[in-house]
Amino acid sequence: DAKTTQPNSMESNEEEPVHLPCNHSTISGTDYIHWYRQLPSQGPEYVIHGLTSNVNNRMASLAIAEDRKSSTLILHRATLRDAAVYYCILRSRKAAGNKLTFGGGTRVLVKP
Amino acid sequence: NAGVTQTPKFQVLKTGQSMTLQCAQDMNHEYMSWYRQDPGMGLRLIHYSVGAGITDQGEVPNGYNVSRSTTEDFPLRLLSAAPSQTSVYFCASRWGLDTEAFFGQGTRLTVV
Repeated sequence: DAKTTQPNSMESNEEEPVHLPCNHSTISGTDYIHWYRQLPSQGPEYVIHGLTSNVNNRMASLAIAEDRKSSTLILHRATLRDAAVYYCILRSRKAAGNKLTFGGGTRVLVKP
Repeated sequence: NAGVTQTPKFQVLKTGQSMTLQCAQDMNHEYMSWYRQDPGMGLRLIHYSVGAGITDQGEVPNGYNVSRSTTEDFPLRLLSAAPSQTSVYFCASRWGLDTEAFFGQGTRLTVV
């Protein structure tokens, strides 16, 4: 599986944007970029995913570099509820079954 | 909408005991998985299933068995509990390979 590299932690002020980087220099052409987050004492929650083009949904935006070796998850206006660990995951269409390979993630702290 | 339901939420076992962690989903998803999460770490895949009657091993399958007799249910059995199996266990389901995964709230297991 291709690996991802994320900063261990980031801080943000409430109602300000948060940009979470993810490096995946060994990404292959069949790998989708998935983001999940995990709030304290809860199961992971899907945020967004994409392949090549930038993606937007009600929770966040995903900006994918042209060479696909990095991506950035953008939370447009952080709230206290966005404090969580955010995982950047590559998922290959060729991978057997249902595997999502979770790394260490980025712990996001939101200050009021 | 119940989503993915895991029972029990908490369990304490003695070394050598066996038990079954239950997972049920009501979304008619084909893909189901079991993960474990140790303190301060990401999730690791134990077993997964791509449909009723089909299961396969993930990264850390030793000490666990699964079966998938129906689309809705995917129980995880601990054959002979060991302290190394103390962890939080998450069940997940998804409709297709590149769709979002839904996670249960987790089962916190302590083996003494």
